[in-house]
Amino acid sequence: TQLLEQSPQFLSIQEGENLTVYCNSSSVFSSLQWYRQEPGEGPVLLVTVVTGGEVKKLKRLTFQFGDARKDSSLHITAAQPGDTGLYLCAGPTTSGTYKYIFGTGTRLKVLA
Amino acid sequence: EAQVTQNPRYLITVTGKKLTVTCSQNMNHEYMSWYRQDPGLGLRQIYYSMNVEVTDKGDVPEGYKVSRKEKRNFPLILESPSPNQTSLYFCASSSQGGLAVYSYNEQFFGPGTRLTVL
Repeated sequence: TQLLEQSPQFLSIQEGENLTVYCNSSSVFSSLQWYRQEPGEGPVLLVTVVTGGEVKKLKRLTFQFGDARKDSSLHITAAQPGDTGLYLCAGPTTSGTYKYIFGTGTRLKVLA
Repeated sequence: EAQVTQNPRYLITVTGKKLTVTCSQNMNHEYMSWYRQDPGLGLRQIYYSMNVEVTDKGDVPEGYKVSRKEKRNFPLILESPSPNQTSLYFCASSSQGGLAVYSYNEQFFGPGTRLTVL
């Protein structure tokens, strides 16, 4: 069974600090996605990484896909209160089905 | 406006009373899916559908049924709800023409349905 493990589970930081969230698996993924979920809403896609070693930037957010395509990271520079939310990584399984799996999530709180 | 809608948003029911949560999308997406979200467990896929009349089990299908008679609708049915099905449920859709392993299309999520089974 493919699993996605995220760390840390919870993160509370001051505005302006940097942080990194990790998404790890023992299995290879063809692609990984990062979503952000705010209270009372469904997850919203931030980015999809496809190629091993790929780095994508979305304003102050930097996403990296591991060379072996087994892990990914999300780095936020100079965090702001608006970054507060639940960050989820997700990817399609490689079992020949149409299943998707999600990581357990990282709950981020940025204090003003 | 492109969207996924779910109804109801909140539901409190009792053990054994059959219920249906509806899901509809207006983006002509082939792929639709149901997830449940529980604290510390992330989102877990219940069922998914690749297209009309084609559905398959996700990781936690026990106690749930689905149907896909029309492309836009994908209802989730709980024939005999139990307290361990108390959860936050999300429906999602994406355009996806091939095997998931080759696809990285964005999933659009509904606003969620908070279900409590007493």
